[in-house]
Amino acid sequence: KQEVTQIPAALSVPEGENLVLNCSFTDSAIYNLQWFRQDPGKGLTSLLLIQSSQREQTSGRLNASLDKSSGRSTLYIAASQPGDSATYLCAVSGNTGFQKLVFGTGTRLLVSP
Amino acid sequence: SQTIHQWPATLVQPVGSPLSLECTVEGTSNPNLYWYRQAAGRGLQLLFYSVGIGQISSEVPQNLSASRPQDRQFILSSKKLLLSDSGFYLCAWSAGPLYEQYFGPGTRLTVT
Repeated sequence: KQEVTQIPAALSVPEGENLVLNCSFTDSAIYNLQWFRQDPGKGLTSLLLIQSSQREQTSGRLNASLDKSSGRSTLYIAASQPGDSATYLCAVSGNTGFQKLVFGTGTRLLVSP
Repeated sequence: SQTIHQWPATLVQPVGSPLSLECTVEGTSNPNLYWYRQAAGRGLQLLFYSVGIGQISSEVPQNLSASRPQDRQFILSSKKLLLSDSGFYLCAWSAGPLYEQYFGPGTRLTVT
């Protein structure tokens, strides 16, 4: 059974810092990995998707890497801003069809002005 | 572009009452559809998924059911709500080849 863990559970940084969020998963047989953002009381916004054959994806100030063999992914946020404050969720889908996502419990990020 | 809608946005229901939550997707055909629940302080749990009209798979046996009467419509139902059904219900869709999942705005359900 796939299990996804995210460390740290919470993170507080001053504006402008670069930061790294970590995600690990137990079964390396994944189809893809997605990083999401969730604002309080809102739905999830997809940030980046990495296919199992890829090593990284970039979107603006965000960079996500994937090391499938070791079961790890990182989300790098450059030059953090107060608007980046949210919960960040990592999720993996398996190779067994239907691409069901298994989620981590998230990292709650607070960026202070 | 694709859009996903959920309603209602919030709902307060007494224990034992029925439930119907609706999700519709615009701008895509034959999507995979998903229902998730996010309970307070817990992660997202997949409840149901569907790969086509009338095709529903349940992930967790519980007090809920799902139906897909049309290609882009997904409904979550219950005949009698329990207190433990309270939570934030999210609908999502995906399509090949990447199967990136996109989520709706969610429904906050409080069972009293």
